[in-house]
Amino acid sequence: RKEVEQDPGPFNVPEGATVAFNCTYSNSASQSFFWYRQDCRKEPKLLMSVYSSGNEDGRFTAQLNRASQYISLLIRDSKLSDSATYLCVVKANQAGTALIFGKGTTLSVSS
Amino acid sequence: SQTIHQWPATLVQPVGSPLSLECTVEGTSNPNLYWYRQAAGRGLQLLFYSVGIGQISSEVPQNLSASRPQDRQFILSSKKLLLSDSGFYLCAWTASGYEQYFGPGTRLTVT
Repeated sequence: RKEVEQDPGPFNVPEGATVAFNCTYSNSASQSFFWYRQDCRKEPKLLMSVYSSGNEDGRFTAQLNRASQYISLLIRDSKLSDSATYLCVVKANQAGTALIFGKGTTLSVSS
Repeated sequence: SQTIHQWPATLVQPVGSPLSLECTVEGTSNPNLYWYRQAAGRGLQLLFYSVGIGQISSEVPQNLSASRPQDRQFILSSKKLLLSDSGFYLCAWTASGYEQYFGPGTRLTVT
């Protein structure tokens, strides 16, 4: 089983739609969770950390289910500028260790 | 504020030639530093990480090496490039040990 699995998509949605991405991770010792956004041929950029109680940042909502080892990202009122690849990322709770990245889910928002 | 620089932005090198990619971080002290590679259509793969000057950990056996001669400088090298070394090389840093921030990357094509 891959460490972090994501549906690669692409998800093709119209502007204004709500879209959700899911991610599962295999290491139950993972303690930190993130969503990164990567535009074509650019570096990944931190979108948001994911907290146990779930958290929201504007149109973006992240949820964590530790029992199912599952993370989600919900985007409401999609904008053209949301088109990108969204990377699910987990980390064990040890300083200095690396992030484990999923391969990403591609979102395309059209007008 | 902290910034991370990488150069060059793009590089085309023949098989068998040497490689040196540089990464520097400004605005922070004693960061953890990371080298990742993203091959075409694949996820990010951790190559090396460093928790301090002269301290390098390698995640995968390969044709590459890394060095950290100064606190905020991280160098990726190869004596002889292979075709399979082509990819998008990303340097990242963290101060907290959790969220990582990426540089703009170097796109390497080995011909």
